[in-house]
Amino acid sequence: DVKVTQSSRYLVKRTGEKVFLECVQDMDHENMFWYRQDPGLGLRLIYFSYDVKMKEKGDIPEGYSVSREKKERFSLILESASTNQTSMYLCASSLPTGPVGEKLFFGSGTQLSVL
Amino acid sequence: GENVEQHPSTLSVQEGDSAVIKCTYSDSASNYFPWYKQELGKRPQLIIDIRSNVGEKKDQRIAVTLNKTAKHFSLHITETQPEDSAVYFCAAGGSSYKLIFGSGTRLLVRP
Repeated sequence: DVKVTQSSRYLVKRTGEKVFLECVQDMDHENMFWYRQDPGLGLRLIYFSYDVKMKEKGDIPEGYSVSREKKERFSLILESASTNQTSMYLCASSLPTGPVGEKLFFGSGTQLSVL
Repeated sequence: GENVEQHPSTLSVQEGDSAVIKCTYSDSASNYFPWYKQELGKRPQLIIDIRSNVGEKKDQRIAVTLNKTAKHFSLHITETQPEDSAVYFCAAGGSSYKLIFGSGTRLLVRP
């Protein structure tokens, strides 16, 4: 069974802090994704990566960066946290089956509050 | 840009009734349409998906229909049960690596 693990379930940070959200998957998936989930807005893609050291911007990359130094780990970085980045952050992974993402396996999410 | 609209935002049905959730997509190159279910406090999980070469797919009490001409697809749940209560997300993909998700439908099944 695929396991996608996010390092923190809840996180509270202060405005201006640098924040790291970590995600690890154990199924050797090439594709990894970071989404944020806000009520009424669904899941919006921040960044994704289809290979080690590769990254692509999603729909809302502003204020975020990512790092993929190893295949199993995909980190989301908030360079200077702001209150409008308070949200649920979901990591996901999938196998590569062409341009379209195959079944996504999600982590359990990190609820980030920026005060 | 690419967009997926999902309706209704909330849906309340009596146990045993059917529920239908509808989505419309804008990118005509989309060819993959999954549905995810997210129970309260849990991660989204894929429940069914359909590709553009078929018009309908069934899995027990759930089915998805696709109308490529009209660019819309729907989730049908028959004989609803309380454990079907959750938030359901549709999504569309195909022209890139990413999926575009709808805004979600909160389904409540009343016992």
